[in-house]
Amino acid sequence: QIVLTQSPAIMSASLGEEITLTCSASSSVSYMHWYQQKSGTSPKLLIYSTSNLASGVPSRFSGSGSGTFYSLTISSVEAEDAADYYCHQWSSYRTFGGGTKLEIK
Amino acid sequence: EVQLQQSGPELVKPGASMKISCKASGYSFTGYTMNWVKQSHGKNLEWIGLINPYNGGTSYNQKFKGKATLTVDKSSSTAYMELLSLTSEDSAVYYCARSVVAKGYAMDYWGQGTSVTVSS
Repeated sequence: QIVLTQSPAIMSASLGEEITLTCSASSSVSYMHWYQQKSGTSPKLLIYSTSNLASGVPSRFSGSGSGTFYSLTISSVEAEDAADYYCHQWSSYRTFGGGTKLEIK
Repeated sequence: EVQLQQSGPELVKPGASMKISCKASGYSFTGYTMNWVKQSHGKNLEWIGLINPYNGGTSYNQKFKGKATLTVDKSSSTAYMELLSLTSEDSAVYYCARSVVAKGYAMDYWGQGTSVTVSS
Protein backbone atom coordinates (compact mmCIF):
# COMPACT_ATOMS: atom_id res chain seq x y z
CA GLN A 1 0.00 0.00 0.00
CA ILE A 2 1.38 3.39 -0.99
CA VAL A 3 1.50 5.89 1.86
CA LEU A 4 0.97 9.57 1.05
CA THR A 5 2.52 12.08 3.43
CA GLN A 6 1.31 15.67 3.23
CA SER A 7 3.26 18.68 4.46
CA PRO A 8 2.77 20.78 6.34
CA ALA A 9 -0.04 19.47 8.53
CA ILE A 10 -1.18 23.03 9.16
CA MET A 11 -0.36 26.08 7.11
CA SER A 12 -1.17 29.66 8.01
CA ALA A 13 -1.18 32.08 5.10
CA SER A 14 -1.95 35.74 4.52
CA LEU A 15 -4.36 36.99 1.91
CA GLY A 16 -2.64 37.33 -1.45
CA GLU A 17 0.25 35.07 -0.50
CA GLU A 18 1.44 32.26 -2.77
CA ILE A 19 1.60 28.92 -1.01
CA THR A 20 2.58 25.38 -1.90
CA LEU A 21 1.29 22.22 -0.27
CA THR A 22 3.21 19.02 -0.83
CA CYS A 23 2.41 15.32 -1.01
CA SER A 24 5.14 12.70 -0.87
CA ALA A 25 4.47 9.11 -1.90
CA SER A 26 6.22 6.08 -0.42
CA SER A 27 6.58 4.65 -3.93
CA SER A 28 6.32 6.16 -7.37
CA VAL A 29 2.80 6.89 -8.61
CA SER A 30 1.65 7.85 -12.08
CA TYR A 31 -0.38 10.87 -11.07
CA MET A 32 -2.04 12.63 -8.15
CA HIS A 33 -5.46 14.09 -7.49
CA TRP A 34 -6.20 16.90 -5.03
CA TYR A 35 -9.39 17.64 -3.10
CA GLN A 36 -10.54 20.57 -1.01
CA GLN A 37 -12.83 20.06 1.96
CA LYS A 38 -14.40 22.99 3.76
CA SER A 39 -15.78 22.56 7.24
CA GLY A 40 -18.98 20.54 7.31
CA THR A 41 -19.01 19.76 3.60
CA SER A 42 -18.00 16.94 1.29
CA PRO A 43 -14.60 16.88 -0.41
CA LYS A 44 -14.48 18.68 -3.75
CA LEU A 45 -12.22 17.73 -6.63
CA LEU A 46 -9.68 20.49 -7.35
CA ILE A 47 -6.98 18.95 -9.52
CA TYR A 48 -7.02 15.63 -11.35
CA SER A 49 -4.18 13.68 -12.94
CA THR A 50 -1.53 15.90 -11.32
CA SER A 51 -2.11 19.17 -13.16
CA ASN A 52 -5.62 19.37 -14.63
CA LEU A 53 -8.00 21.87 -13.11
CA ALA A 54 -11.42 20.46 -12.33
CA SER A 55 -14.47 22.23 -13.68
CA GLY A 56 -15.24 25.53 -11.96
CA VAL A 57 -12.00 25.64 -9.98
CA PRO A 58 -10.32 29.08 -9.97
CA SER A 59 -7.13 29.41 -11.98
CA ARG A 60 -5.14 30.42 -8.89
CA PHE A 61 -4.97 26.69 -8.11
CA SER A 62 -2.38 24.58 -9.93
CA GLY A 63 -0.76 21.19 -9.49
CA SER A 64 2.51 19.64 -10.52
CA GLY A 65 4.85 16.79 -9.76
CA SER A 66 5.92 13.32 -10.77
CA GLY A 67 7.17 10.08 -9.28
CA THR A 68 7.05 10.40 -5.52
CA PHE A 69 6.68 14.15 -5.09
CA TYR A 70 3.64 16.26 -5.93
CA SER A 71 2.49 19.74 -5.03
CA LEU A 72 -0.56 21.98 -5.03
CA THR A 73 0.02 25.72 -5.38
CA ILE A 74 -2.36 28.58 -4.68
CA SER A 75 -0.95 31.64 -6.42
CA SER A 76 -2.80 34.24 -4.37
CA VAL A 77 -4.64 32.98 -1.31
CA GLU A 78 -8.19 34.19 -0.76
CA ALA A 79 -10.29 33.94 2.38
CA GLU A 80 -12.52 31.31 0.80
CA ASP A 81 -9.52 28.97 0.42
CA ALA A 82 -9.54 28.14 4.13
CA ALA A 83 -10.08 24.37 4.11
CA ASP A 84 -8.46 20.97 4.41
CA TYR A 85 -6.61 19.75 1.33
CA TYR A 86 -6.04 16.07 0.52
CA CYS A 87 -3.94 14.34 -2.09
CA HIS A 88 -5.10 11.00 -3.51
CA GLN A 89 -3.43 8.42 -5.69
CA TRP A 90 -5.07 5.80 -7.85
CA SER A 91 -2.01 4.22 -9.45
CA SER A 92 -1.61 1.39 -7.00
CA TYR A 93 -4.28 0.62 -4.46
CA ARG A 94 -6.22 3.75 -3.56
CA THR A 95 -4.97 5.96 -0.76
CA PHE A 96 -5.36 9.47 0.56
CA GLY A 97 -2.89 11.69 2.29
CA GLY A 98 -3.48 12.81 5.85
CA GLY A 99 -4.41 16.32 4.76
CA THR A 100 -3.13 19.87 5.16
CA LYS A 101 -5.24 22.40 7.00
CA LEU A 102 -4.98 25.88 5.47
CA GLU A 103 -5.72 28.73 7.83
CA ILE A 104 -5.97 32.35 6.76
CA LYS A 105 -4.24 34.92 8.96
CA GLU B 1 -26.95 18.46 -12.80
CA VAL B 2 -25.09 15.52 -11.31
CA GLN B 3 -26.27 14.71 -7.80
CA LEU B 4 -25.53 11.93 -5.33
CA GLN B 5 -28.13 11.90 -2.56
CA GLN B 6 -27.27 9.78 0.45
CA SER B 7 -29.53 8.42 3.16
CA GLY B 8 -29.75 10.10 6.52
CA PRO B 9 -27.72 9.74 9.72
CA GLU B 10 -27.79 6.48 11.61
CA LEU B 11 -27.45 5.51 15.24
CA VAL B 12 -26.87 1.78 15.53
CA LYS B 13 -26.00 -0.64 18.30
CA PRO B 14 -22.73 -2.55 18.41
CA GLY B 15 -22.94 -5.83 16.54
CA ALA B 16 -25.71 -4.64 14.25
CA SER B 17 -25.54 -4.17 10.50
CA MET B 18 -26.86 -1.30 8.45
CA LYS B 19 -27.13 -0.14 4.86
CA ILE B 20 -26.45 3.31 3.39
CA SER B 21 -27.95 4.34 0.07
CA CYS B 22 -26.67 6.73 -2.57
CA LYS B 23 -29.16 7.76 -5.27
CA ALA B 24 -27.56 9.12 -8.42
CA SER B 25 -29.17 11.54 -10.84
CA GLY B 26 -28.17 13.78 -13.70
CA TYR B 27 -25.93 11.28 -15.51
CA SER B 28 -25.82 7.75 -16.89
CA PHE B 29 -25.56 5.64 -13.73
CA THR B 30 -23.98 2.67 -15.47
CA GLY B 31 -21.31 4.77 -17.13
CA TYR B 32 -19.26 5.57 -14.04
CA THR B 33 -17.87 3.60 -11.13
CA MET B 34 -19.11 4.40 -7.65
CA ASN B 35 -16.71 4.60 -4.73
CA TRP B 36 -17.28 4.62 -1.01
CA VAL B 37 -15.02 6.58 1.34
CA LYS B 38 -14.84 6.65 5.13
CA GLN B 39 -13.91 9.78 7.05
CA SER B 40 -13.08 9.34 10.71
CA HIS B 41 -12.68 12.07 13.29
CA GLY B 42 -13.44 14.67 10.66
CA LYS B 43 -10.05 14.17 9.05
CA ASN B 44 -8.73 10.82 7.76
CA LEU B 45 -10.10 9.68 4.42
CA GLU B 46 -10.05 5.95 3.61
CA TRP B 47 -11.15 4.35 0.37
CA ILE B 48 -13.47 1.45 1.14
CA GLY B 49 -14.10 0.11 -2.33
CA LEU B 50 -15.84 0.64 -5.62
CA ILE B 51 -18.54 -0.94 -7.72
CA ASN B 52 -19.13 -0.86 -11.44
CA PRO B 53 -22.89 -0.35 -11.81
CA TYR B 54 -22.79 -1.69 -15.35
CA ASN B 55 -21.85 -5.24 -14.37
CA GLY B 56 -21.84 -5.21 -10.58
CA GLY B 57 -18.10 -5.85 -10.43
CA THR B 58 -16.45 -4.76 -7.18
CA SER B 59 -13.03 -3.97 -5.78
CA TYR B 60 -12.40 -3.59 -2.06
CA ASN B 61 -9.72 -2.16 0.17
CA GLN B 62 -8.40 -5.27 1.93
CA LYS B 63 -9.07 -3.57 5.27
CA PHE B 64 -12.80 -3.44 4.56
CA LYS B 65 -13.32 -6.92 3.17
CA GLY B 66 -15.88 -8.60 5.39
CA LYS B 67 -16.90 -5.21 6.80
CA ALA B 68 -18.50 -3.59 3.76
CA THR B 69 -20.61 -5.01 0.93
CA LEU B 70 -21.31 -2.90 -2.14
CA THR B 71 -24.32 -3.37 -4.38
CA VAL B 72 -26.37 -1.38 -6.88
CA ASP B 73 -29.93 -1.26 -8.14
CA LYS B 74 -29.73 -0.13 -11.74
CA SER B 75 -33.49 0.33 -12.00
CA SER B 76 -33.39 3.13 -9.43
CA SER B 77 -29.82 4.36 -10.08
CA THR B 78 -28.97 3.70 -6.46
CA ALA B 79 -25.79 2.36 -4.92
CA TYR B 80 -25.74 0.72 -1.53
CA MET B 81 -23.12 -0.03 1.07
CA GLU B 82 -23.91 -2.49 3.83
CA LEU B 83 -21.73 -2.33 6.92
CA LEU B 84 -21.56 -5.51 8.99
CA SER B 85 -20.94 -6.29 12.66
CA LEU B 86 -20.53 -2.66 13.62
CA THR B 87 -18.18 -1.52 16.38
CA SER B 88 -17.25 1.91 17.71
CA GLU B 89 -14.40 1.95 15.18
CA ASP B 90 -17.03 2.15 12.44
CA SER B 91 -18.40 5.44 13.74
CA ALA B 92 -17.61 7.88 10.94
CA VAL B 93 -19.01 9.80 8.02
CA TYR B 94 -19.35 7.72 4.87
CA TYR B 95 -19.39 9.19 1.38
CA CYS B 96 -20.28 7.83 -2.00
CA ALA B 97 -18.32 9.40 -4.84
CA ARG B 98 -18.37 8.93 -8.59
CA SER B 99 -15.13 8.30 -10.42
CA VAL B 100 -14.45 8.72 -14.11
CA VAL B 101 -11.75 7.11 -16.23
CA ALA B 102 -11.32 10.28 -18.30
CA LYS B 103 -10.07 12.05 -15.19
CA GLY B 104 -7.72 9.31 -14.06
CA TYR B 105 -10.45 7.87 -11.85
CA ALA B 106 -10.59 11.03 -9.76
CA MET B 107 -13.77 11.33 -7.71
CA ASP B 108 -15.50 14.23 -9.36
CA TYR B 109 -18.84 14.21 -7.56
CA TRP B 110 -19.51 13.32 -3.94
CA GLY B 111 -22.61 12.67 -1.89
CA GLN B 112 -23.32 14.82 1.13
CA GLY B 113 -22.13 12.10 3.51
CA THR B 114 -23.93 9.83 5.96
CA SER B 115 -22.99 10.00 9.61
CA VAL B 116 -22.94 6.63 11.37
CA THR B 117 -22.70 6.45 15.14
CA VAL B 118 -22.24 3.09 16.79
CA SER B 119 -23.31 3.19 20.39
CA SER B 120 -25.33 1.14 22.84
